[in-house]
Amino acid sequence: GQQLNQSPQSMFIQEGEDVSMNCTSSSIFNTWLWYKQEPGEGPVLLIALYKAGELTSNGRLTAQFGITRKDSFLNISASIPSDVGIYFCAGQRGSNYKLTFGKGTLLTVNP
Amino acid sequence: DGGITQSPKYLFRKEGQNVTLSCEQNLNHDAMYWYRQDPGQGLRLIYYSQIVNDFQKGDIAEGYSVSREKKESFPLTVTSAQKNPTAFYLCASCRTGTNYGYTFGSGTRLTVV
Repeated sequence: GQQLNQSPQSMFIQEGEDVSMNCTSSSIFNTWLWYKQEPGEGPVLLIALYKAGELTSNGRLTAQFGITRKDSFLNISASIPSDVGIYFCAGQRGSNYKLTFGKGTLLTVNP
Repeated sequence: DGGITQSPKYLFRKEGQNVTLSCEQNLNHDAMYWYRQDPGQGLRLIYYSQIVNDFQKGDIAEGYSVSREKKESFPLTVTSAQKNPTAFYLCASCRTGTNYGYTFGSGTRLTVV
């Protein structure tokens, strides 16, 4: 099945640094979602985006729905050790379609 | 509180044995999904079901089987035909016709010994 192109695959940063990751697709999506998975747990929804150009924040997290509908970005400001985990993007073409997932970005934060 | 429960958290299986992973949700969600997660492979879809008594193969269904006899339950059986079953298995659910994303369970780690 199709997967989104998510980058980078992994990041090693110092506490306090900002983080950016993105997902791109050759297809248009009507919904973009960002999940975080902590070690040994299931993914948890962080942010949902429903409109092209939309910019949405959740605390230190900000995500954007690309204008072309083929990409999305997630930024984390002033990272802290508990930000460690795998971040997944997901796109959905319509409400009756399955989600398509990226392969994830593994984030490591050094205190 | 509503949620999705997977059990057990850890499971050990001898080669050649079938094993069943449980997934139960009380969210009144119509659709349920099973994913397999291996390091660096992302989430790969095994099976999914959008209504009771109906299910569809995902991208890696070989060696797995499912049933959907009740809306709340979607058990996954890993059969002896699955060549490399050691992995982390995730169950998810959602309400069909919406775009609110999936709710995931906390996963089951299966190890073949």
